[in-house]
Amino acid sequence: EAGVTQFPSHSVIEKGQTVTLRCDPISGHDNLYWYRRVMGKEIKFLLHFVKESKQDESGMPNNRFLAERTGGTYSTLKVQPAELEDSGVYFCASSRTGGNTEAFFGQGTRLTVV
Amino acid sequence: GQNIDQPTEMTATEGAIVQINCTYQTSGFNGLFWYQQHAGEAPTFLSYNVLDGLEEKGRFSSFLSRSKGYSYLLLKELQMKDSASYLCAVRSTGTASKLTFGTGTRLQVTL
Repeated sequence: EAGVTQFPSHSVIEKGQTVTLRCDPISGHDNLYWYRRVMGKEIKFLLHFVKESKQDESGMPNNRFLAERTGGTYSTLKVQPAELEDSGVYFCASSRTGGNTEAFFGQGTRLTVV
Repeated sequence: GQNIDQPTEMTATEGAIVQINCTYQTSGFNGLFWYQQHAGEAPTFLSYNVLDGLEEKGRFSSFLSRSKGYSYLLLKELQMKDSASYLCAVRSTGTASKLTFGTGTRLQVTL
């Protein structure tokens, strides 16, 4: 079974540019989460999809961040326009629905805004 | 809100036993998870506790006391490959809700 995959693994962009991160969850996992780790800080929750619906987006920093999960399969997270403080590692995770199941994480996308 | 504390760094010797503590204060609780993360890799699931007590899985064990807001991860027979960051995370109410992480404990295993 393939794990959670994220693309790209690294991205370096200039302030003001747009970047789109992609996450492919494990097949059959209805729950998809985005998290972010800023240098020296803990991993923080951004938002949670159940299939194609946003269940919880309380962690989204501001309206420069837009997440989508059309069709309930893969998800994208777009940052537009990027700011310096957006630099960090963006993790995606997925889990099955029902019961107390763990979330499986991808390797993350390291975003550097210069 | 949620607040999770764990030591920043620990060092232990190969073959020894190490205990990584985690304390939490949460507005809702539906389980505590431990993840292992090697540098540049994905966090990988180690253990899950939702009821008080000890859960054992091979060389790794995890303990939870909900009344004290306390958990620990116990690693036995340490190996060099156990050098990694260990993340304590609490899930709020709901079986699929978000995780709140501590900053992680970086464990260095030495010869």
